[in-house]
Amino acid sequence: QKEVEQDPGPLSVPEGAIVSLNCTYSNSAFQYFMWYRQYSRKGPELLMYTYSSGNKEDGRFTAQVDKSSKYISLFIRDSQPSDSATYLCAMVRTSGSRLTFGEGTQLTVNP
Amino acid sequence: DGGITQSPKYLFRKEGQNVTLSCEQNLNHDAMYWYRQDPGQGLRLIYYSQIVNDFQKGDIAEGYSVSREKKESFPLTVTSAQKNPTAFYLCASRGGTSGVTDTQYFGPGTRLTVL
Repeated sequence: QKEVEQDPGPLSVPEGAIVSLNCTYSNSAFQYFMWYRQYSRKGPELLMYTYSSGNKEDGRFTAQVDKSSKYISLFIRDSQPSDSATYLCAMVRTSGSRLTFGEGTQLTVNP
Repeated sequence: DGGITQSPKYLFRKEGQNVTLSCEQNLNHDAMYWYRQDPGQGLRLIYYSQIVNDFQKGDIAEGYSVSREKKESFPLTVTSAQKNPTAFYLCASRGGTSGVTDTQYFGPGTRLTVL
C-alpha cells in the first residue's frame, strides 16, 4: 500500500467552479503538508504549506488538513483556465526528512 | 536572480551512453534532490544530498550516480545500466524563510529521451 494516495483524475470543470483535490495518507508520523502546482513540461511550484490540522487560506486557495482522518484537501474557488495544471500533494515526517509525494491530479478548467 | 537551473532542457541519448544532467542553485540551500517523473507515477526520488560531499540513495537509485563537490551543484549521471531512462528529471533544493524549512523548490526539469 502506498503511503500517500491521491485522486488520480483527470478532473475537468467549467470556469468559476469550486475544485476539491484530495489526498489520504497512512502514516500518522507525517507532520508537514504541501501542495505543488505543475504546469505542463515545467517543474512543480509550491502553492501551499501547512503544519497543523485545520484550514489555511491564500486568495482563492484553501488547504485543509485533518490529521485524525489522515486526509488533506486543496480547494480552489472561482477556478480559472490558468489553474489548469497537475496538482501534487506532498508530506514530510519531521523537519529535514524527505518528502513523499502523491501521484498528482490533472485539472482542466474550461472557459 | 535566485533559483534553480537545470540544463539541458531536452536531451537525447543513444542506448549504451552515459549522460550527465546539470543542476545548479544559488539559493544557498544545503539539501538538494533528484527526482524522476513518469506519466501517472508522480515523483520518485533518485538521490539526495543533505550537505556537500555526502549523498544518499533514494527509492530508484539503480543505474544513476551523483556527486556533490560544491554546495551549488548536484549533477546526475544516467548510466547505461539504467534500463528505462526516458523520463522527465527534476532537481530540487530545500530551504525556506520564516521557519518554513521543509519546502522544496524545483528546477524547470530536463526531458531525457533514449533513441
